[in-house]
Amino acid sequence: DTEVTQTPKHLVMGMTNKKSLKCEQHMGHRAMYWYKQKAKKPPELMFVYSYEKLSINESVPSRFSPECPNSSLLNLHLHALQPEDSALYLCASRVRETSGNTIYFGEGSWLTVV
Amino acid sequence: DQQVKQNSPSLSVQEGRISILNCDYTNSMFDYFLWYKKYPAEGPTFLISISSIKDKNEDGRFTVFLNKSAKHLSLHIVPSQPGDSAVYFCAASAGFNKFYFGSGTKLNVKP
Repeated sequence: DTEVTQTPKHLVMGMTNKKSLKCEQHMGHRAMYWYKQKAKKPPELMFVYSYEKLSINESVPSRFSPECPNSSLLNLHLHALQPEDSALYLCASRVRETSGNTIYFGEGSWLTVV
Repeated sequence: DQQVKQNSPSLSVQEGRISILNCDYTNSMFDYFLWYKKYPAEGPTFLISISSIKDKNEDGRFTVFLNKSAKHLSLHIVPSQPGDSAVYFCAASAGFNKFYFGSGTKLNVKP
């Protein structure tokens, strides 16, 4: 089972709104990721949580605020976003296998900032 | 500077024939390589991976080849099916946390 669940699937928000994206996995994976993907571009790493601690922040603007309440949940809080932040936001979790580490993605949350 | 490159943005193949998708990397520290498939409006789906200690890994119709000296990997799909039409991303990692993705190749399998 490699299921990563993201909600909501679609979100439209104004530039003054505060909203959150949610991600959940019950596979016992101890690392979780937020990626951003724009059309015809590769996924772009934003944040990595390892054992519920933020281990990587790829210089993401502070209008994006991650939170990892427990080992199964990952949130991305959004505030004062810009239209150029409109993208597909992907959550992933990492499993350590015998040959290496693999990340499994959720279906993504489509964000439109108006 | 992109460390993982997919130089072919698109590939068109007839159903039943072989699809070959290519990927190059620059960082010799990468030790694990992955391929993902992505349909529109969905997240990437993991397909197959290969460790740097191997040069080939096979899973059903999918085979990944790794040429470390050339810093090149390829994904072979045989036989190709219309349902394989999607964008394919290769990815590479060195260590535990960071995964670097190529820009993707859009595969179209014609019936």
